[in-house]
Amino acid sequence: GAVVSQHPSWVICKSGTSVKIECRSLDFQATTMFWYRQFPKQSLMLMATSNEGSKATYEQGVEKDKFLINHASLTLSTLTVTSAHPEDSSFYICSAGTQGALNTEAFFGQGTRLTVV
Amino acid sequence: GENVEQHPSTLSVQEGDSAVIKCTYSDSASNYFPWYKQELGKGPQLIIDIRSNVGEKKDQRIAVTLNKTAKHFSLHITETQPEDSAVYFCAATLRGGGGNKLTFGTGTQLKVEL
Repeated sequence: GAVVSQHPSWVICKSGTSVKIECRSLDFQATTMFWYRQFPKQSLMLMATSNEGSKATYEQGVEKDKFLINHASLTLSTLTVTSAHPEDSSFYICSAGTQGALNTEAFFGQGTRLTVV
Repeated sequence: GENVEQHPSTLSVQEGDSAVIKCTYSDSASNYFPWYKQELGKGPQLIIDIRSNVGEKKDQRIAVTLNKTAKHFSLHITETQPEDSAVYFCAATLRGGGGNKLTFGTGTQLKVEL
């Protein structure tokens, strides 16, 4: 299947700093990328939907000014956690897909473990 | 919006036994139902999926059944092996495909014991 690469796989940052996470589709063009957050022993919670060339659509309760999403090309989307705090520590996962392609699956990255100290 | 419930939250089986995980969904318009396996510290990996025009799909030891009328679907794993131990998530979406957002179930921790 297609490959989605997410970097970094883990990151530790100080409270108040910003962290950028990259999600790349390596062998296909992803018109849509999704960003999820997953707390320990919980399910994946959708944070936002990112469409190439347009503003991201955020789910209710997700602060768009704190979680900046950029989808500048068909192979790259980035999530920047600004002014990170310990409560932002979580596992962040992206997925990539093709809008309108009914017979394709969503491909997930390997996730990024963010720890804010 | 769509709501997906998943049961059980934990499941322990003996190696070689079968495991069944069940999910229900709320939006009758949903038409694509994937199942994901997630190992510790990794992203979800698609193991099987089913579309609403199909009642059952099988891939070696894994099968999925869908009852559109009752709005529930199930994952069946036969001849379980220790490497099947992981967290399994069901999901549902409208119109199917990678460009549409998924609503995930709450997950099932499967443990296959020797």
